[in-house]
Amino acid sequence: QQPVQSPQAVILREGEDAVINCSSSKALYSVHWYRQKHGEAPVFLMILLKGGEQKGHEKISASFNEKKQQSSLYLTASQLSYSGTYFCGTMLGSLGSQGNLIFGKGTKLSVKP
Amino acid sequence: DGGITQSPKYLFRKEGQNVTLSCEQNLNHDAMYWYRQDPGQGLRLIYYSQIVNDFQKGDIAEGYSVSREKKESFPLTVTSAQKNPTAFYLCASSTRRATDTQYFGPGTRLTVL
Repeated sequence: QQPVQSPQAVILREGEDAVINCSSSKALYSVHWYRQKHGEAPVFLMILLKGGEQKGHEKISASFNEKKQQSSLYLTASQLSYSGTYFCGTMLGSLGSQGNLIFGKGTKLSVKP
Repeated sequence: DGGITQSPKYLFRKEGQNVTLSCEQNLNHDAMYWYRQDPGQGLRLIYYSQIVNDFQKGDIAEGYSVSREKKESFPLTVTSAQKNPTAFYLCASSTRRATDTQYFGPGTRLTVL
């Protein structure tokens, strides 16, 4: 039931692009993306609801493919501040325990000068 | 400023002792959550509460207990029954709308000596 994130880790040079994927074996209601710096709280990036919409936040955007139950996070022209671990949290429904987030194991992104 | 506070930031405990982690929010959120984070494991749900005086077990509730006597507060007790309590503990809160996300506190790092 835990979503699978890929890759587990990625190293970039400043200015390079990256894609992080999050796949589920269950039908999803929503996907939530967070970034966490070491020893700090996860910071919310964006939420995608079923319907296949794409969202953007500055140079970070995401898509949700409802047919594949997969979400992808796109980081373009990466900056040093993008370094951290990215987590996707998936929600199976809107009610009760279905409304809880199930988190992937994370993708560690390192951006080098 | 609205937000979620957790205290203490670092906590040390001897084996066999119970310890209580504090979580307070002033966001007027109905739902609150406790997660445990271990290296490489992502975030795992311990307990959650969607309304005052009610709470439910998450995936790894054994050895933990909670209370929800006030909307703003959701303390977590790590009991001596928890076999491996050393971890980073994160508290989160959200509205009950399924289209909203969870917001995290700064975390408490618990170390058992």
